Amino acid sequence: GNSVTQMEGPVTLSEEAFLTINCTYTATGYPSLFWYVQYPGEGLQLLLKATKADDKGSNKGFEATYRKETTSFHLEKGSVQVSDSAVYFCALSDPGGTSYGKLTFGQGTILTVHP
Amino acid sequence: DTEVTQTPKHLVMGMTNKKSLKCEQHMGHRAMYWYKQKAKKPPELMFVYSYEKLSINESVPSRFSPECPNSSLLNLHLHALQPEDSALYLCASSRRREGHEQYFGPGTRLTVT
Repeated sequence: GNSVTQMEGPVTLSEEAFLTINCTYTATGYPSLFWYVQYPGEGLQLLLKATKADDKGSNKGFEATYRKETTSFHLEKGSVQVSDSAVYFCALSDPGGTSYGKLTFGQGTILTVHP
Repeated sequence: DTEVTQTPKHLVMGMTNKKSLKCEQHMGHRAMYWYKQKAKKPPELMFVYSYEKLSINESVPSRFSPECPNSSLLNLHLHALQPEDSALYLCASSRRREGHEQYFGPGTRLTVT
């Protein structure tokens, strides 16, 4: 079946530090990959996406590249801000097989950024 | 506009009450979803509607009853809930069911007393 593994958290950084949150996946077909962010007390917001190998998704300074050879989709940001403090979820959507259309989520990574 | 709205924002109900959660989107999406999220966990899929028909029920107890009156609206009817059903209930929609990104609403924080 499909699965997503995210790096263990929580992650604590100082403002302007470089951020990497690792995400690897297992899928039976050719999935689309997503990063969602959840701020305290809110729903999930789509941060970025990639639909095929070597695609790079980017938004608000965050980037992630779909690497089929390493089955990875690591999230990066060059300079984090206090306002980036949130929970980050890596997810995949596999259009084939029994998981048709479902989102499979990683466990989430809590990011805290200090001034 | 990528907005999904949910009402109410907060709900407290007793175990004998009947209540409903409402979700609405006006993006022309034809797939809509209900998720349950416990603190510090990822969302768990409950139901999927595709073209207003229920296509996935993830073995959810019958005290949760979904309804899709039209392509823009999704309801979740609640009856005889248990305290362990307290959670954040999220609605989401996507253009179609297959492989498209899902857009989430802000959620309803449900407390069962």
